[in-house]
Amino acid sequence: EAGVAQSPRYKIIEKRQSVAFWCNPISGHATLYWYQQILGQGPKLLIQFQNNGVVDDSQLPKDRFSAERLKGVDSTLKIQPAKLEDSAVYLCASTPLQGGGVETQYFGPGTRLLVL
Amino acid sequence: GQQVMQIPQYQHVQEGEDFTTYCNSSTTLSNIQWYKQRPGGHPVFLIQLVKSGEVKKQKRLTFQFGEAKKNSSLHITATQTTDVGTYFCAGTPGGTYKYIFGTGTRLKVLA
Repeated sequence: EAGVAQSPRYKIIEKRQSVAFWCNPISGHATLYWYQQILGQGPKLLIQFQNNGVVDDSQLPKDRFSAERLKGVDSTLKIQPAKLEDSAVYLCASTPLQGGGVETQYFGPGTRLLVL
Repeated sequence: GQQVMQIPQYQHVQEGEDFTTYCNSSTTLSNIQWYKQRPGGHPVFLIQLVKSGEVKKQKRLTFQFGEAKKNSSLHITATQTTDVGTYFCAGTPGGTYKYIFGTGTRLKVLA
C-alpha cells in the first residue's frame, strides 16, 4: 500500500513570497490533515478535511494560509505572503474514516520550509 | 484553549536504563495515541488507548491511560539505541474529532 505523498520535500523562499505544498493521501482515506511542526515542538493542526469538506480550520491563519481539497482526494496548502515565523515542517496525514482518536493517522514525509 | 503537555522535555539515558514520559491534558480525552518521530522523520503510530485505566504492552514498551482520562504515560524498559527519537502523545478532546499533540519528549540513548 502506497503511503501519504507530499511535495516538494524542501523549499526555501524569501519573506513575502508565496509557496504551495501538495499532498496525496492514502487511497480511499476520507480524512486529511495538515499540520505545522515548528522545530522542537509537537505538530499543530492547521486544517482537517473530511472528503472535500472542512471539519476544523480554527488554527489556520486565514489571512495568509489557504487550503483546498478538490474532489476529496489530494490537497494543497498555500501561504501568501510568507513570514519568517512560517519556517517549519508541514506534515500531511490521513485516516480512513473520520479520525478523532479512533483511527491511526498516517503521516507523509513532510515539506521543510525555510523563510529567509 | 485545550493543551497537552509532556514531561520531561528531554531525557538522556544510558543504554539499558528505563525511561518514562508523561502526558497531561487540560481536558478529558476520548482517546489517546502515542507516536514516535525519529530525527528528520515523520510521526509513526505506536498505539491507541481508549478505556479509563487501560494498560497496553508492546515488547519493552508499556502504555497507560489514567483513570480520569486526562493523563497517560509511556514506559520503556531497558532502552536500546534504536529507541532514540521524540515521543508524542496525541489526545482527542471529548466531543471532537481532532487530535491535539503533546509537546513531546526527546529521548537520547547513550551506548
